[in-house]
Amino acid sequence: QQQVKQSPQSLIVQKGGISIINCAYENTAFDYFPWYQQFPGKGPALLIAIRPDVSEKKEGRFTISFNKSAKQFSLHIMDSQPGDSATYFCAASTDSWGKLQFGAGTQVVVTP
Amino acid sequence: GAVVSQHPSWVICKSGTSVKIECRSLDFQATTMFWYRQFPKQSLMLMATSNEGSKATYEQGVEKDKFLINHASLTLSTLTVTSAHPEDSSFYICSARGVPSWTSGILNEQFFGPGTRLTVL
Repeated sequence: QQQVKQSPQSLIVQKGGISIINCAYENTAFDYFPWYQQFPGKGPALLIAIRPDVSEKKEGRFTISFNKSAKQFSLHIMDSQPGDSATYFCAASTDSWGKLQFGAGTQVVVTP
Repeated sequence: GAVVSQHPSWVICKSGTSVKIECRSLDFQATTMFWYRQFPKQSLMLMATSNEGSKATYEQGVEKDKFLINHASLTLSTLTVTSAHPEDSSFYICSARGVPSWTSGILNEQFFGPGTRLTVL
């Protein structure tokens, strides 16, 4: 049973557009929510992460929105570029536990 | 900073042989290392968690006698796939968790290695 549900499975967006990926969780003990970017044949790289005491975090073109009451969080990629074409994974964990629970992943393709 | 390396990056072996994969944290001490397995177009599946100097904790369904993990130092963990078979062919990724001295330190942050592609013939 997947503890973090991610959607959509894939996404095609035009260059300059906004990519939006959504994740939902059930375990209220989760208090760390990172997003990872993975290119084919490479390991995942941390993109941005948020804790539940804030509702939004922005780093460059990447923004996490967090809704604690709905147990949902999302990644927005503004001004999407072809170089953003990759698979994105959301994840969640607790401080004391440390194990990351990954979503299923979203393959993003940015067309020129 | 916070670099994790894996060696080898890819390996091809014959069925029945054993393969060792190394995971190193290059610029920080990793109190905990994690080993993941990833099949094509799928998510990462945690295999085991290892803490330096103690036995690894395996996830349910992962054979500990087949996937031997050793975390002998704060910068090195190894995964040995024993008696490998074609169904063990996969992308193996390690991650390391610690508090790099040059960051503010988020306890949970894991830094991932580049992965090792294992093909068993």
